[in-house]
Amino acid sequence: RKEVEQDPGPFNVPEGATVAFNCTYSNSASQSFFWYRQDCRKEPKLLMSVYSSGNEDGRFTAQLNRASQYISLLIRDSKLSDSATYLCVVKNHNTDKLIFGTGTRLQVFP
Amino acid sequence: AAGVIQSPRHLIKEKRETATLKCYPIPRHDTVYWYQQGPGQDPQFLISFYEKMQSDKGSIPDRFSAQQFSDYHSELNMSSLELGDSALYFCASSLDSQETQYFGPGTRLLVL
Repeated sequence: RKEVEQDPGPFNVPEGATVAFNCTYSNSASQSFFWYRQDCRKEPKLLMSVYSSGNEDGRFTAQLNRASQYISLLIRDSKLSDSATYLCVVKNHNTDKLIFGTGTRLQVFP
Repeated sequence: AAGVIQSPRHLIKEKRETATLKCYPIPRHDTVYWYQQGPGQDPQFLISFYEKMQSDKGSIPDRFSAQQFSDYHSELNMSSLELGDSALYFCASSLDSQETQYFGPGTRLLVL
């Protein structure tokens, strides 16, 4: 079982839709949480860090539930340019490595 | 803003050959990380360096080695290449090991 689990999708949504992605992680010692996005054959790019109190950046809202070991990402008013793979990423205490989920693929259509 | 630079961007090698991948971190970043992403896979951590010393080690094969130089750039040396080494190799950098990692564009390695 992977340490970080995501629904691979794809999620096919029309422009303007609201879409939510979920992610679970198995290591309760996990300390830092992120959402990265990755376009086909490109590098992962940081979308946002995820904080315990939840945080918002424009159309994007991230939530963390440490008790349930669950992370979510909500995208409002989807744009065509949001089409990408969204990677849930976890970093544990005292280690440098980022642990990636397999990613959730989003396709926004006109 | 300056980003992480990797070279070469594409590399084709034959089995049993060697390859050297280079990474130039964002200016003032002192920590570099190497990740390998196979086709259809998520990135897997290989190794990291902080202030020229190995900081953490992941699933890096013994055939691979890496180092960080005094100007903070890093090189990943890969020997006795195998078909299964074909992948995207990303370098990331951060201000220190606790800060956000920013990824370079990657080197696409194809082993024939």
